[in-house]
Amino acid sequence: NAGVTQTPKFQVLKTGQSMTLQCAQDMNHEYMSWYRQDPGMGLRLIHYSVGAGITDQGEVPNGYNVSRSTTEDFPLRLLSAAPSQTSVYFCATLLGWGNTEAFFGQGTRLTVV
Amino acid sequence: DQQVKQNSPSLSVQEGRISILNCDYTNSMFDYFLWYKKYPAEGPTFLISISSIKDKNEDGRFTVFLNKSAKHLSLHIVPSQPGDSAVYFCAASHPFNFGNEKLTFGTGTRLTIIP
Repeated sequence: NAGVTQTPKFQVLKTGQSMTLQCAQDMNHEYMSWYRQDPGMGLRLIHYSVGAGITDQGEVPNGYNVSRSTTEDFPLRLLSAAPSQTSVYFCATLLGWGNTEAFFGQGTRLTVV
Repeated sequence: DQQVKQNSPSLSVQEGRISILNCDYTNSMFDYFLWYKKYPAEGPTFLISISSIKDKNEDGRFTVFLNKSAKHLSLHIVPSQPGDSAVYFCAASHPFNFGNEKLTFGTGTRLTIIP
């Protein structure tokens, strides 16, 4: 049982390049979220999804796109990478309704040069 | 505007003593609070939570206290062990989150347990 799997673990991009951060879960959780962690700022919500076909913006959505075609996958796309997007990205899943905890992947460390 | 604040970036505690990590929030709509622990190069892992209808929740060595009037919560770890050395994040959720899909995190406190 892998839980929440994020790929790649590390990535270096040049400014202007695009890429997709992958997140896959085998927990059959309805809800999935993307966060970024920056020094001194904690984790901030980028986008989230409450089910296949349903996505919405979080606190810092600019420069990122998401889609949710299946329950298992929730990719995060960087359209045109900027140095300000250098960060550690975490994908999280939740069971669904009610007060349950979020389960996080191991993270993707992205550097934009 | 930081709605969840952890004002101590770091804390050092002797092994065996009590560790107390603090968290303040400004949004009175928050009704569910969680603590996460994070080791380097790993994702955060859930530690303990508390609903606003309670003022205390205990799980083994970990206890979370909630003071709604002060908009303050704290995590107590007794006794502290070397494996507790990590960054601890406080997170909050409000009733409009049907399943906590939108958590608001604090900036974290790095706890170091001194052997």
